[in-house]
Amino acid sequence: DAGVIQSPRHEVTEMGQEVTLRCKPISGHDYLFWYRQTMMRGLELLIYFNNNVPIDDSGMPEDRFSAKMPNASFSTLKIQPSEPRDSAVYFCASSSGLTFVMNTEAFFGQGTRLTVV
Amino acid sequence: QKEVEQNSGPLSVPEGAIASLNCTYSDRGSQSFFWYRQYSGKSPELIMFIYSNGDKEDGRFTAQLNKASQYVSLLIRDSQPSDSATYLCAVNRGYSTLTFGKGTMLLVSP
Repeated sequence: DAGVIQSPRHEVTEMGQEVTLRCKPISGHDYLFWYRQTMMRGLELLIYFNNNVPIDDSGMPEDRFSAKMPNASFSTLKIQPSEPRDSAVYFCASSSGLTFVMNTEAFFGQGTRLTVV
Repeated sequence: QKEVEQNSGPLSVPEGAIASLNCTYSDRGSQSFFWYRQYSGKSPELIMFIYSNGDKEDGRFTAQLNKASQYVSLLIRDSQPSDSATYLCAVNRGYSTLTFGKGTMLLVSP
């Protein structure tokens, strides 16, 4: 398997524009996580899905953020409208069990570096 | 507020030395503890996890857990320049997702 695939790797956009980040999890993994990483706040969980259903979105910072998982092989994270403070690296991760408690490892994608100017 | 605290570093050690990375956590109910390594510009990757008090060894890495002191550490023996990275500590409480620290940058000089 090619691992978790994220696109794009880099995104530069102007404030106010819509941004869509994409993720393809590892085949067979039924958990998918979206994280955001910044120097100030570190790595934060935004939302996670189990079997394509959002389970916990308490980490989503504002209504400007939304995430979907229409099928087992694809998820999107959308920011509309984007703001400069959204600039960060966004990681998608997948696992075959609820993270690590069931002795399963979550595998991270390479991330999308988002810059909002 | 569940928090995981790490010294941001950088921690500088010479090649061949032992690097000691420390992490404290605030949630006494935390049950599982993880160390991730993240190279600059790359994604985090799991090094090891520990559930029970005491030491757990895996090659050059040893994780140490003291739940009474709410303290977990990672020792890297015979440090190599390739170990230079940011090390993230993460904890969870039962069936929940992980809370990450901000990481400690380790620099191993040849």
